Amino acid sequence: AQSVAQPEDQVNVAEGNPLTVKCTYSVSGNPYLFWYVQYPNRGLQFLLKYITGDNLVKGSYGFEAEFNKSQTSFHLKKPSALVSDSALYFCAVSSSGSTLGRLYFGRGTQLTVWP
Amino acid sequence: EAQVTQNPRYLITVTGKKLTVTCSQNMNHEYMSWYRQDPGLGLRQIYYSMNVEVTDKGDVPEGYKVSRKEKRNFPLILESPSPNQTSLYFCASSLSSGEYNEQFFGPGTRLTVL
Repeated sequence: AQSVAQPEDQVNVAEGNPLTVKCTYSVSGNPYLFWYVQYPNRGLQFLLKYITGDNLVKGSYGFEAEFNKSQTSFHLKKPSALVSDSALYFCAVSSSGSTLGRLYFGRGTQLTVWP
Repeated sequence: EAQVTQNPRYLITVTGKKLTVTCSQNMNHEYMSWYRQDPGLGLRQIYYSMNVEVTDKGDVPEGYKVSRKEKRNFPLILESPSPNQTSLYFCASSLSSGEYNEQFFGPGTRLTVL
């Protein structure tokens, strides 16, 4: 079965500090990994994805994520957090081994950046 | 502007009264999907469609129906809503059904079933 885990419901960081939002996955076949962000009262927005190639993926708004196959992880990172980064973040996975069209989401991590 | 639209954005209804939530995209995407978002559960896939007249079940299809008669539209139908279908619903689309394509999401429909 395909699954995604976001072990932290909440992450709190001070503005200017680095942030990490964790994601681990379990799939059959090659994983295709995504991060989405949801601002209050809005739909989800795509941030970045890993399909193949370089393990470090760069995305929108200065975010990046590192694919680690041995640890089955895809943690989201940003070197210097902004108050405006405060939002709900979702990790999602599909794979070459899953039914075409299926996408599996984690439960979400609420990121709060305080001034 | 490229977008996914949903209507209505907010709906309060009563148990058993049939309703339809519309979803439309203007990006000529082949793939469309419906999700529900519940606190502590993240997003769960209800139904998806890889092209016109092709639909399939996701994780939580019970109590829902969909149709895909046109490429741009993918309505979600609740024939007999129940309180456990109170949730925030999102429609999404992507260029193709390839598992590596990012999805574009609508603004959401908040449904309350009394």
